[in-house]
Amino acid sequence: EVQLVESGGGLIQPGGSLRLSCVASGFSVSFYYMGWVRQAPGKGLEWVSVFYHDDETHYADSVKGRFTVSRDNSKNTLYLQMNSLRAEDTAVYYCARGRENYCDFNYWGQGTRVTVSS
Amino acid sequence: EIVLTQSPGTLSLSPGERATLSCRASQSVSSNYLAWYQQKTGQAPRVLIYGTSSRATGIPDRFSGSGSGTDFTLTISRLEPEDFAVYYCQVFGNPPPRYTFGQGTKLEIK
Repeated sequence: EVQLVESGGGLIQPGGSLRLSCVASGFSVSFYYMGWVRQAPGKGLEWVSVFYHDDETHYADSVKGRFTVSRDNSKNTLYLQMNSLRAEDTAVYYCARGRENYCDFNYWGQGTRVTVSS
Repeated sequence: EIVLTQSPGTLSLSPGERATLSCRASQSVSSNYLAWYQQKTGQAPRVLIYGTSSRATGIPDRFSGSGSGTDFTLTISRLEPEDFAVYYCQVFGNPPPRYTFGQGTKLEIK
């Protein structure tokens, strides 16, 4: 059974850093593209980042230069390093697995909440 | 960058009725790259439709997707109580790779 479990969220002051983790089970992260999607309180879904199997990474303009996505195949885990956090980064962050050829996300974690506030 | 506009913002219907949700793209998109998600309060999204019209595993056949070019539709043929939720369309654009979501349609009980 495919499962994604995020962790690492919490309350952080503006300008601070946080690292989110997404532990996968039931498949190998090295064989799929993986993404991060966030949802601010009461708002819609916003794509944040993607990690392709060839180690290529891409980011939304809103986080480029501040967030870094990485993967540890030995731990079957995806990470999102978030630096220079702003109030507008406050959201639930979801990890999701991509479907090849169709570029949707067909498995999602339960999300981890990040609150940026002083 | 592709912008997706969903309409209506809120749709009020009764169980048993037919729901038609629209998603319009700012430029033509590949039908392979258009998906629909359902999100219930406090839950993660789940994919319903991918590739414009393919139902994801376990999705009932009352859900169907159609469209091409810039106009796409999610249809729920007969609403069940568990279908009342928020629905998002999503498209992939390249280059550079971008995964764009619409703003969502809230389907509420009338």
